[in-house]
Amino acid sequence: NAGVTQTPKFQVLKTGQSMTLQCAQDMNHNSMYWYRQDPGMGLRLIYYSASEGTTDKGEVPNGYNVSRLNKREFSLRLESAAPSQTSVYFCASSEAPGGGTEAFFGQGTRLTVV
Amino acid sequence: QKEVEQNSGPLSVPEGAIASLNCTYSDRGSQSFFWYRQYSGKSPELIMSIYSNGDKEDGRFTAQLNKASQYVSLLIRDSQPSDSATYLCAVNDYKLSFGAGTTVTVRA
Repeated sequence: NAGVTQTPKFQVLKTGQSMTLQCAQDMNHNSMYWYRQDPGMGLRLIYYSASEGTTDKGEVPNGYNVSRLNKREFSLRLESAAPSQTSVYFCASSEAPGGGTEAFFGQGTRLTVV
Repeated sequence: QKEVEQNSGPLSVPEGAIASLNCTYSDRGSQSFFWYRQYSGKSPELIMSIYSNGDKEDGRFTAQLNKASQYVSLLIRDSQPSDSATYLCAVNDYKLSFGAGTTVTVRA
């Protein structure tokens, strides 16, 4: 049982390049989330999807777009990467939005923009 | 104001002591509260959840919730070197929001 799988694990981009981070979960969860983690900042929510077909902005959405492709997959796209987007990105999923449901995390993607 | 605030660290405790971590939240209507542990270079993992006022104990961990004061805490009793990690407070009210985390070091 894989849980939440993110690809890639590491990526180096040049400023202005684009890329898509992929996330898939096999737990039949309704809600999925994308976070970035910078030193001393905890996990900051970029976008979330409460259910298939819906997406909403989180705390730091600028410079990102998302797609909830189906119930399993939630991708994060950087259209024109900037050095400020250097971070560790985590995808997570939970059974339902809100309420007492535990979130499970992927292993993270370490992104460096030069 | 950030939605979830944690007491600044780092926190260093001797082995066997109690580590006390605090968290406040801004939305009075929040109902679900979590503590996650994150080892360096790893993903966060859930260690405690609490939904009602009062204390909830699980092994060496005790979570405390006071909704009137909008306050959540985590106590780690008999701290072990393996407890050295960053502890993240989270509030789940439709979206899951985290505090900045408190890094705990347990010294032998």
